[in-house]
Amino acid sequence: GEEVAQTPKHLVRGEGQKAKLYCAPIKGHSYVFWYQQVLKNEFKFLISFQNENVFDETGMPKERFSAKCLPNSPCSLEIQATKLEDSAVYFCASSQPGGQRTDTQYFGPGTRLTVL
Amino acid sequence: RKEVEQDPGPFNVPEGATVAFNCTYSNSASQSFFWYRQDCRKEPKLLMSVYSSGNEDGRFTAQLNRASQYISLLIRDSKLSDSATYLCVVNMKPGYSSASKIIFGSGTRLSIRP
Repeated sequence: GEEVAQTPKHLVRGEGQKAKLYCAPIKGHSYVFWYQQVLKNEFKFLISFQNENVFDETGMPKERFSAKCLPNSPCSLEIQATKLEDSAVYFCASSQPGGQRTDTQYFGPGTRLTVL
Repeated sequence: RKEVEQDPGPFNVPEGATVAFNCTYSNSASQSFFWYRQDCRKEPKLLMSVYSSGNEDGRFTAQLNRASQYISLLIRDSKLSDSATYLCVVNMKPGYSSASKIIFGSGTRLSIRP
């Protein structure tokens, strides 16, 4: 598609439940990025993919967070056993392959996760 | 020290005013720079890329000073619709063919009053 698509728009989970978020990058974009934005506007990088391969996962909390980008499927970010502090908006972004064009990231509308 | 720092604001200026934001970055190897705009918890949208010494797009001018490691955004003749949070974004890409390593500033809130 022409835009990054994210589903669901809103997700409410009880503490300890699992949450799964989806992202479909712009068609033709090889790179996918996940960010977490909490209330104070701070964007936290979580993970990036080049096609289905993890490129950089330095931002991922190791224990409960996992992500995948499989061929012919939306990318996913999964949180096992959610905690209150996981409440945030999760943005996905994609960028084109090659040269400086990889710099410009296009963002999806985000998924607002609320953990009660 | 944060890798990308911005004045959080808020900046509250009257319509028609000129307003400028600065952003400093700590990594001298940073390769490209952007200003994004974010409205009311929506997704960030690219406002301007800053690749060389600066560029202009209508009422918006972005400047890059590599020696001092800062970029700036100037908004002239501000409109009510310019009210938003402006995010300074720095790409510390490790290599030409590798993916971006994007660092966001915490954003500067701008409010334009009638």
